[in-house]
Amino acid sequence: GENVEQHPSTLSVQEGDSAVIKCTYSDSASNYFPWYKQELGKRPQLIIDIRSNVGEKKDQRIAVTLNKTAKHFSLHITETQPEDSAVYFCAASNGAGSYQLTFGKGTKLSVIP
Amino acid sequence: GAGVSQSPRYKVAKRGQDVALRCDPISGHVSLFWYQQALGQGPEFLTYFQNEAQLDKSGLPSDRFFAERPEGSVSTLKIQRTQQEDSAVYLCASSSRTSGGYEQYFGPGTRLTVT
Repeated sequence: GENVEQHPSTLSVQEGDSAVIKCTYSDSASNYFPWYKQELGKRPQLIIDIRSNVGEKKDQRIAVTLNKTAKHFSLHITETQPEDSAVYFCAASNGAGSYQLTFGKGTKLSVIP
Repeated sequence: GAGVSQSPRYKVAKRGQDVALRCDPISGHVSLFWYQQALGQGPEFLTYFQNEAQLDKSGLPSDRFFAERPEGSVSTLKIQRTQQEDSAVYLCASSSRTSGGYEQYFGPGTRLTVT
């Protein structure tokens, strides 16, 4: 089955700096890669996703890049703000069978004012 | 519009008790997923429904776990004879498409504590 590795597990940045979180996946058939933000005690919230036919996608301060050859994808947050502090999860799906998401273990991002 | 809702939000059960967790998906969403999230971990897949059909239950950890969605809308996850290792947050997600690669929207989860 699919295995998703996520790094780093914790990340602290100064407000205004950029943050980068990286994930690798094992199943070459995976074709959908969402990112979720989860604040303490809250539901995972979809913030951006990318499909395998695209190499990069951007939404305001958030961007995701995908390298299918290397089987890795990354989340980039620019001009970080204190409200960006949360746990971020990457996930992968192969779009077949049950379309289940396989998640990484998460990155706790702290933005220091 | 209304998102995915789950009830109860918190449940404390004594070891050996049965529990039932409810999920109300976004109206019209065909696909429904259950995930289990242990403390400090990412969600892990339990089971998947397409309408009322349970198409994948490969993630259910034991035969004490049972899920149903009889009318293709509300779903219930039942855990029989709860054990301490069942303590976790149980998340429900729904999606509007049957094919892969489409957004899954999560509910707030039910935090189950087994004492």
